[in-house]
Amino acid sequence: EAGVAQSPRYKIIEKRQSVAFWCNPISGHATLYWYQQILGQGPKLLIQFQNNGVVDDSQLPKDRFSAERLKGVDSTLKIQPAKLEDSAVYLCASSPRSSGSGEQFFGPGTRLTVL
Amino acid sequence: GQQLNQSPQSMFIQEGEDVSMNCTSSSIFNTWLWYKQDPGEGPVLLIALYKAGELTSNGRLTAQFGITRKDSFLNISASIPSDVGIYFCAGMFGAAGNKLTFGGGTRVLVKP
Repeated sequence: EAGVAQSPRYKIIEKRQSVAFWCNPISGHATLYWYQQILGQGPKLLIQFQNNGVVDDSQLPKDRFSAERLKGVDSTLKIQPAKLEDSAVYLCASSPRSSGSGEQFFGPGTRLTVL
Repeated sequence: GQQLNQSPQSMFIQEGEDVSMNCTSSSIFNTWLWYKQDPGEGPVLLIALYKAGELTSNGRLTAQFGITRKDSFLNISASIPSDVGIYFCAGMFGAAGNKLTFGGGTRVLVKP
């Protein structure tokens, strides 16, 4: 079974530029998550989708971050414009259901550096 | 908001040693999970705990869900070089829709 796919793996941009990340979850997983992991810290949830609907985006900085999952499968996360403090690894995860075990399957992440 | 504190923040291991790390919370959780993250990879689930007092093993790993539901510990027995990495605890509360709160991690390194 293929795991969670993310691209690109690395991205370097200058502040005030825009950037987008892509995630393809494990086939059949209804729930998709985007996390931000700053160096030396644990992952922090940015947004959670159930199919193509948003379940939780309470920690998403909506003035600059946006995310969509139009067909309930893959998802994109966008930052516009980027700030220096956005430098982090952006992890995508998926799970087969929205309640119960709590187990989430993570992709390898996209490492973003903002100069 | 909820905060999970992991200790120690880092530790050195020597092959064959047993190591222990823990996680405490200011809030109650109904589920505790332990993940391991290798460099350049996403976290991978090691053990999940669903009941206060539960003790669960996965090979050389043993984890327990604290009675107060505010803490958990992870033990690694007879450590080997591939145990190096960052270990994260994560808590989930009830009908939060699988929303996980992660600790800051314990970095396990090999003694030089």
